[in-house]
Amino acid sequence: GDSVTQMEGPVTLSEEAFLTINCTYTATGYPSLFWYVQYPGEGLQLLLKATKADDKGSNKGFEATYRKETTSFHLEKGSVQVSDSAVYFCAPRDTGRRALTFGSGTRLQVQP
Amino acid sequence: NAGVTQTPKFQVLKTGQSMTLQCAQDMNHEYMSWYRQDPGMGLRLIHYSVGAGITDQGEVPNGYNVSRSTTEDFPLRLLSAAPSQTSVYFCASTLGRNTEAFFGQGTRLTVV
Repeated sequence: GDSVTQMEGPVTLSEEAFLTINCTYTATGYPSLFWYVQYPGEGLQLLLKATKADDKGSNKGFEATYRKETTSFHLEKGSVQVSDSAVYFCAPRDTGRRALTFGSGTRLQVQP
Repeated sequence: NAGVTQTPKFQVLKTGQSMTLQCAQDMNHEYMSWYRQDPGMGLRLIHYSVGAGITDQGEVPNGYNVSRSTTEDFPLRLLSAAPSQTSVYFCASTLGRNTEAFFGQGTRLTVV
């Protein structure tokens, strides 16, 4: 079945630093890939997605590229802000599955 | 637009009690899911539904029941609560297999 490996957290950065959160996945088919973000005390919300190889998803300054050859979907942002402090989840969705598979999440803490 | 609504937001139960967590969506989505979120373990799928009258088990279904009598509602029942079911529960809905999931705000359940 599907599985996801995310880098361990917490990741602590200073404001305006560069962010990378690694995500690799295994899937039996050709999945769509999603990044979700969870702000403190809230539910998850979609951050960005990519549905085919070499697609780049982007939103709010975050980007991730669908790398089929390395089965990866790493999340990047050039300059983080304090307001980006949250937990980030990578989630593939294989075409044969009825629900998302989530990684363990990576907590990001941005200090002023 | 309400999206996905979960009730209650907080609940404390005694071991052995039963209760139902409510989930309703107003987007006419076919797919609905229940997840539990525990520290360091990401989100794990409990049960899901691909339409009214159709449900199936996820990764951690033991101790939980679901039904889907309408497209809008997908309640999760705990038949006899145990301390191991202390968690944050999220309901999600999706229009189709490769589209984003919308999450409720979560229910924080404590079993003492």
